[in-house]
Amino acid sequence: AQSVAQPEDQVNVAEGNPLTVKCTYSVSGNPYLFWYVQYPNRGLQFLLKYITGDNLVKGSYGFEAEFNKSQTSFHLKKPSALVSDSALYFCAVRLYSSASKIIFGSGTRLSIRP
Amino acid sequence: EAGVVQSPRYKIIEKKQPVAFWCNPISGHNTLYWYRQNLGQGPELLIRYENEEAVDDSQLPKDRFSAERLKGVDSTLKIQPAELGDSAVYLCASSLDWRGRSGSTGELFFGEGSRLTVL
Repeated sequence: AQSVAQPEDQVNVAEGNPLTVKCTYSVSGNPYLFWYVQYPNRGLQFLLKYITGDNLVKGSYGFEAEFNKSQTSFHLKKPSALVSDSALYFCAVRLYSSASKIIFGSGTRLSIRP
Repeated sequence: EAGVVQSPRYKIIEKKQPVAFWCNPISGHNTLYWYRQNLGQGPELLIRYENEEAVDDSQLPKDRFSAERLKGVDSTLKIQPAELGDSAVYLCASSLDWRGRSGSTGELFFGEGSRLTVL
């Protein structure tokens, strides 16, 4: 069965420090992987995606994510956190070879303290 | 380019009343999704349309929920009658054909959502 897990409900980081938001997935084929961000009372905004090729993908607002096939992970990273990065982050997975179903993780709340 | 537009943004109703949500996807996006998001949780798919056809409605509670996408553009999601447990944010999203025929890799573009409170 296709699934995605975000093991941390909340991540707290000091401004200026690097941040990592974890995501692991389980699929039986080749995955498309996505990260979305949600600010309060807003819809989800696309941040970045992994389709194929380079395992390190860069996205919006200075975020990047590393695809690790052996560990089935797709962790979101940023070298230097900003207070404005505080939001809810969702990892999502979609299978290429089957019906167009996309599954979202339960979300991780990122809190950046000044 | 205009994004996905949803209305209303907020709706408060009493239980057993009907409610409807409207979505206008990004122009040219053939695939449209309705998701429900409970507080502090990830979105859960209710129904997915490819053009006018509902191709995945397995998670739609069909006894009280209905949806339509006439002419393959706008869509409405209706709940009748609403129950207390229906309180949530209803998100609409759209995407290009994900299978790469249009060069898309299937990322979704979301509207701002419709927050429903059932009293």
